[in-house]
Amino acid sequence: DADVTQTPRNRITKTGKRIMLECSQTKGHDRMYWYRQDPGLGLRLIYYSFDVKDINKGEISDGYSVSRQAQAKFSLSLESAIPNQTALYFCATSESTGLRRDNEQFFGPGTRLTVL
Amino acid sequence: AQSVTQLDSQVPVFEEAPVELRCNYSSSVSVYLFWYVQYPNQGLQLLLKYLSGSTLVESINGFEAEFNKSQTSFHLRKPSVHISDTAEYFCAVSKMNTGFQKLVFGTGTRLLVSP
Repeated sequence: DADVTQTPRNRITKTGKRIMLECSQTKGHDRMYWYRQDPGLGLRLIYYSFDVKDINKGEISDGYSVSRQAQAKFSLSLESAIPNQTALYFCATSESTGLRRDNEQFFGPGTRLTVL
Repeated sequence: AQSVTQLDSQVPVFEEAPVELRCNYSSSVSVYLFWYVQYPNQGLQLLLKYLSGSTLVESINGFEAEFNKSQTSFHLRKPSVHISDTAEYFCAVSKMNTGFQKLVFGTGTRLLVSP
């Protein structure tokens, strides 16, 4: 089984709808991340979480919210989806820095979201 | 803040030819360096990383990258590519400081290997 899973893998929705993307991990990592990938822009950080009570905004958090329901689960919500949120969304995990120096991250397979 | 530049958005190459994917970074402090690979319809996978020590690092599938501090570069090379190397490659850096440091990605280079 994959260490980092994302559901759904593909989603088409309409402008104004609320959407939730889910991420689960079995790696036992404390840290979890949400990125979006756009052609020509690479990956940009939306939110990250150190544990269930520690959530931080990334560089492009506007229009998004997150919930860390448990150590292994981190969900991303689009409260009112708009077309420019059409992108590929990735969840990632990493160990606490105390255990690793380099913040190597492990990625899920991605969710392709289309907002019409 | 750090930044990563991958000047080539796309690199076409014939099978069995050598390839170099360029990565330059900007940082006021020392950094860790990574190359991630994204195969079609998949997530990112770590290809190789430089933390310290030897400036030449290798992956299990024949790629290598050399850290050049004076040129602030971490170019990825392979002497002979395969069709299966077709993918998008991302260079990334994080600061070599204690505590949490974000991973900053380049914009990616799409490697297209043709027969």
